[in-house]
Amino acid sequence: GQQVMQIPQYQHVQEGEDFTTYCNSSTTLSNIQWYKQRPGGHPVFLIQLVKSGEVKKQKRLTFQFGEAKKNSSLHITATQTTDVGTYFCAGRATTSGTYKYIFGTGTRLKVLA
Amino acid sequence: NAGVTQTPKFRVLKTGQSMTLLCAQDMNHEYMYWYRQDPGMGLRLIHYSVGEGTTAKGEVPDGYNVSRLKKQNFLLGLESAAPSQTSVYFCASSDPTGYKNIQYFGAGTRLSVL
Repeated sequence: GQQVMQIPQYQHVQEGEDFTTYCNSSTTLSNIQWYKQRPGGHPVFLIQLVKSGEVKKQKRLTFQFGEAKKNSSLHITATQTTDVGTYFCAGRATTSGTYKYIFGTGTRLKVLA
Repeated sequence: NAGVTQTPKFRVLKTGQSMTLLCAQDMNHEYMYWYRQDPGMGLRLIHYSVGEGTTAKGEVPDGYNVSRLKKQNFLLGLESAAPSQTSVYFCASSDPTGYKNIQYFGAGTRLSVL
């Protein structure tokens, strides 16, 4: 079945440093979503990527969707303490007839002030 | 708007006991999902529903049953709880006709099975 892996599992950075998490799917995706979960909270939608090679930015966050639509990345520039949390990607397979998403394993980000 | 509401928030069960987790959404969404979250495993889909009266299996359906008798409610049942079902359970809903099909999550239910 479809699998979605994320690396790294954990990342500790000093405030002001950059951070990147990578998402890799075993199957081609029709689209990919990114969510953020604050400690003790629930996942909250950040963005959706649909097109091959697509790049989207939200302030300090840059999201990319690979050309083959099997991988994606989230890059945060100059991290802040408010960026702390776990970042998940969620992919929908092209073979999926329904809006069923498989979530990645997540990357937990800790920002040291 | 309340969005997605899960009850209860916390529960402790003994092995073999049964319970039902309730998820209610007030956004008129067609799709509803149940996930479990375990350390290092991310969010794994247990069951989902694409509309009232329909349910389907996700990645880890064994040991769970679901029902969607009303569009706004999605119930997750554990017939005979096992320690391996200790987890945080999240419900989510989405509108598949919406451009982004965003999933809106509830606050979660923390379940411990002793």
